[in-house]
Parts: sequence; structure tokens; C-alpha cells
Amino acid sequence: EIVLTQSPATLSLSPGERATLSCRASLSISSHLAWYQQKPGQAPRLLIYDASNRATGFPARFSGSGSGTDFTLTISSLEPEDFAVYYCQQRSNWPRTFGQGTKVEIK
Amino acid sequence: EVQLVESGGGLVQPGGSLRLSCAASGFTFSGYWMTWVRQAPGKGLEWVASIKEDGSEKYYVDSVEGRFTISRDNAKKSLSLQMNSLRGEDTAVYHCARGGGSPDCWGRGTLVTVSS
Repeated sequence: EIVLTQSPATLSLSPGERATLSCRASLSISSHLAWYQQKPGQAPRLLIYDASNRATGFPARFSGSGSGTDFTLTISSLEPEDFAVYYCQQRSNWPRTFGQGTKVEIK
Repeated sequence: EVQLVESGGGLVQPGGSLRLSCAASGFTFSGYWMTWVRQAPGKGLEWVASIKEDGSEKYYVDSVEGRFTISRDNAKKSLSLQMNSLRGEDTAVYHCARGGGSPDCWGRGTLVTVSS
């Protein structure tokens, strides 16, 4: 099973600041990584797929990068609606696995 | 509009069984892998099982292998999860999701509580 480790667990930032979230895989997963956004009481939403492709409905301030074992989700300038929990997920191997999540909270 | 609506959750005793269903609409159900993902209260996401478009391939997380069975009925546009020998650690909201790689649409989920 591929283990995904996200850091930090919590990111405390102010609106307008830049957020940088990390996801590290226990072995190479090429670009087979996705990011999800989840707000309280809601289902997760696909945000980024295949490491760097933004899903429908998300603005350009969200970007993903990386390949192999190290991946990054960047939010260039935080808007109030971006405060949420973000999960990475790999589709390279079965079973699919998720990281433990990074909570982006308002400072 | 793509919609996935789960049902069948509830309170069940340890060792008991439950069957979850997911009704799909707004897309060609038979053309997609489908997946169940769960989330224990206050915890992260855990992928549970996926099934291929025609049902010919199924994959499970180790912790449910042999206890849970994923199935689908393409004519009824329905996904199911039969859960047997339930344990306390199976307590979670169970989401139905479209896709077997990185699911792109999710239902709101149904809560399963395993407790005596």
C-alpha cells in the first residue's frame, strides 16, 4: 500500500496570503496524484487531478505540481472560501490511498 | 446534473450486516468505474472499494476484504455495498463516488454507526 504523508497538518494563514501544502508518497506514483477540498459537512470536491490539472469550477489561484514522490498544492492568494481541509490521493496502485489531510485555517 | 444519492445507513450492532445503496443520475452510469469512500467522525478519508464499469473487476482496502462486497446494477443505475461482520471501526459516513482513479463526483454520504 502506498502511504501518502501530508504536511503540515494545519496551516494558519490570513486571507491574501499564499498557501503551500505538501504531499509525499512512499514510492513513485508518476503524476497519478489528485487533491481534494473538503468543507465542514460537505462531500469532498476534486480540485486537482494528475498532479497539475485543475478540475472544473476551481479558479486559477489553485495550482498543483510535482511528480514521482513529491507534490505541492499552492493557493496563490487565499480567499475566505478557501479555508478548508485538503487531501491528496493516489491512483497509481490499488488500494487507492489518501493522505491524512491538511487543514487551512484562518489566522 | 450529476447526482449520487446514498441510502441504507443506520445503527447496527457489532457483527451485524448492512447494505448501502447509491442511486446515480445525470450521467451514463455504465460508462464509469464507481467507488465507495468512507470517513470516520472527525477523521480523514479512506478509500473502501471500487468496481469496474461492467462489474468484472473489484478492489477492496485490506481492512474490509472478505467482509464487504461491492456490486452494481447498470440497468438500475445503482451501486451497492454489502457490509457483513461489522466492527466499531467501520463507523463512518460512506460516500459513493464516480470514477475508480480520482473520483470526480461524490454523494453527500450515509452514516453507518456500529455500536451495541
